[in-house]
Amino acid sequence: AQRVTQPEKLLSVFKGAPVELKCNYSYSGSPELFWYVQYSRQRLQLLLRHISRESIKGFTADLNKGETSFHLKKPFAQEEDSAMYYCALSEGGRRALTFGSGTRLQVQP
Amino acid sequence: EAGVAQSPRYKIIEKRQSVAFWCNPISGHATLYWYQQILGQGPKLLIQFQNNGVVDDSQLPKDRFSAERLKGVDSTLKIQPAKLEDSAVYLCASSPAGSGANVLTFGAGSRLTVL
Repeated sequence: AQRVTQPEKLLSVFKGAPVELKCNYSYSGSPELFWYVQYSRQRLQLLLRHISRESIKGFTADLNKGETSFHLKKPFAQEEDSAMYYCALSEGGRRALTFGSGTRLQVQP
Repeated sequence: EAGVAQSPRYKIIEKRQSVAFWCNPISGHATLYWYQQILGQGPKLLIQFQNNGVVDDSQLPKDRFSAERLKGVDSTLKIQPAKLEDSAVYLCASSPAGSGANVLTFGAGSRLTVL
């Protein structure tokens, strides 16, 4: 069965510092990877997906099949980036997403 | 477009009682999901519908949980009887067919507390 691991429950950085939220997965096929974000008092929403290969709000994520990782990165953190971040995997087709346990990002002024 | 609607937002019940949650997905979205999110954990899939058929209910505790999606639109998730460990946020999500099939839009969730 597929599994998504986010090793850090909490990541605290200062404004302007680089951010890297780690995500590792276990799946033998070709997965589709996502990052979802939940800001305070808001709904869980899509941040980015690996097949889009785009930067959203300054965040990027590269799928590394050799290391089975999909880390989320941003060169300069902003206070408004503070939120819960969830990495998610789909086996493709009609299969639903499997989520990691989430990492809380706190960006301090 | 209107988002995914869920009700009630909050529910407190005693163990062994029953509860039902309702979800109205985004119009035209073929796929509907119910996820359970226990405090401190990520969302866990309970059941996935494609139109009004079940695609995956392998993690649904069928002795106490049931779900239906009548006419391929609204859905109801029921718990009977509830246990203390059912305390969680129940998230409904929907997604379209085609290339956006794995892009889920979530509702605000229904928070259940079982005493």
